[in-house]
Amino acid sequence: EPEVTQTPSHQVTQMGQEVILRCVPISNHLYFYWYRQILGQKVEFLVSFYNNEISEKSEIFDDQFSVERPDGSNFTLKIRSTKLEDSAMYFCASSGDSQETQYFGPGTRLLVL
Amino acid sequence: QQQVKQSPQSLIVQKGGISIINCAYENTAFDYFPWYQQFPGKGPALLIAIRPDVSEKKEGRFTISFNKSAKQFSLHIMDSQPGDSATYFCAAKGLSGYNKLIFGAGTRLAVHP
Repeated sequence: EPEVTQTPSHQVTQMGQEVILRCVPISNHLYFYWYRQILGQKVEFLVSFYNNEISEKSEIFDDQFSVERPDGSNFTLKIRSTKLEDSAMYFCASSGDSQETQYFGPGTRLLVL
Repeated sequence: QQQVKQSPQSLIVQKGGISIINCAYENTAFDYFPWYQQFPGKGPALLIAIRPDVSEKKEGRFTISFNKSAKQFSLHIMDSQPGDSATYFCAAKGLSGYNKLIFGAGTRLAVHP
């Protein structure tokens, strides 16, 4: 069964450093998303991406965040200057033509020290 | 208006019992209501979903009941098993935009043998 994959599974970084989280969505999907989950809290929407551009973003997704689809398979989330409060689990998701079922990856646990 | 309220926060059920998790929403523009199951350290996985044109959907031991007038929906897990122990999130998605998921706060279910 096709699945969304994410790398790395864990990332530890120093405050102020840049991090890039990588995702490989399901191959025939067209819509891509990033969500985050702070430990013990609910999953929160960050950004959606379609046709090589951001289609919607949340208040969390400020100028420190950016997304990119550098090639036909990868989808990345970059945090330019990490803050302590960026520590969370980051999930990539993708969906096909139906725009309904979003399939989530296993997540990247980001810890900012 | 974008919130989805979920209860209870945690639930303990004996093996073979029925687990019931409730969600309520305000935004009548929501038109798709999925439930996700999440095991520790894993991404959310779609369990079952419903649209507001039906009042109930059943898949195996999992049933969604939907009350459009009350703007409430619930997940029933029949014959609960220890392997069902996980965190369950309800979510909602609207017609407009590119369909970000709005998640409830989650319910941590423990099924005791």
